[in-house]
Amino acid sequence: AQRVTQPEKLLSVFKGAPVELKCNYSYSGSPELFWYVQYSRQRLQLLLRHISRESIKGFTADLNKGETSFHLKKPFAQEEDSAMYYCALRGFGNEKLTFGTGTRLTIIP
Amino acid sequence: KAGVTQTPRYLIKTRGQQVTLSCSPISGHRSVSWYQQTPGQGLQFLFEYFSETQRNKGNFPGRFSGRQFSNSRSEMNVSTLELGDSALYLCASSSSAGSAGVTGELFFGEGSRLTVL
Repeated sequence: AQRVTQPEKLLSVFKGAPVELKCNYSYSGSPELFWYVQYSRQRLQLLLRHISRESIKGFTADLNKGETSFHLKKPFAQEEDSAMYYCALRGFGNEKLTFGTGTRLTIIP
Repeated sequence: KAGVTQTPRYLIKTRGQQVTLSCSPISGHRSVSWYQQTPGQGLQFLFEYFSETQRNKGNFPGRFSGRQFSNSRSEMNVSTLELGDSALYLCASSSSAGSAGVTGELFFGEGSRLTVL
C-alpha cells in the first residue's frame, strides 16, 4: 500500500523566514514524489517533482529514501507563498496519485 | 492550449438521485483521472482512463463509474447519491503514453462541486 503523511495541517511563518513543509511516504517500490500547490481560488497545480531536481519559485525538495521523506523547503518565505500544499506519490508507470492531507501555509507579513 | 475543463462547476442533488460529471482534457492528452476531494478525507483517487479503457481504479463503491470517449473526453457517474458523496470532484489529464513507465505531469481542472441534500 502507498501512503503519504503530512504531519502539519497548518503552518505559519514570518515573511523572510525559512519554510519547511514535511512529507513522509510509505511505498514498497520506486516512487515518484511531487509537491502540488493550490493558491486561493486557483486550480491545483504541480509545483515540483523529484525527478526534475528543479527549484521552482525558490522551493526545493530532496527525496531521502533512507528516511522516506520529501520535505519542501524555501530559504526566505514570501507573502505570495501562502497556499495549500500537497505532497503526492505515484508508483513507477502508474498514473494514480496518492495525496497527503495537505498543509496550509500562511506567510505573516 | 486550453486547460482541463469540467462541467458543471456546481450542482445540487438530493439523496437517491444520480449525477453525471464531464471532463474535457487538454488537447492531445489521452489519460484522464478523477479524484474526490473532501475536507475529511482529502484527495482520493477514483479511476483513470486511457484510450477508452479503465487502467486504474481506487477504493470506491460500484456506484461510482466512469467512461472515456474516443476524443478522450471523460464522464463520471454517481448513482443512488448519498449525503457523503458531497465533494469537489477533480479531473486531471496527462500526456501519458500507453506503455508502462511513461507517465506525464497531471493537469487539473477546477472541479465540479457536488452538494447532496
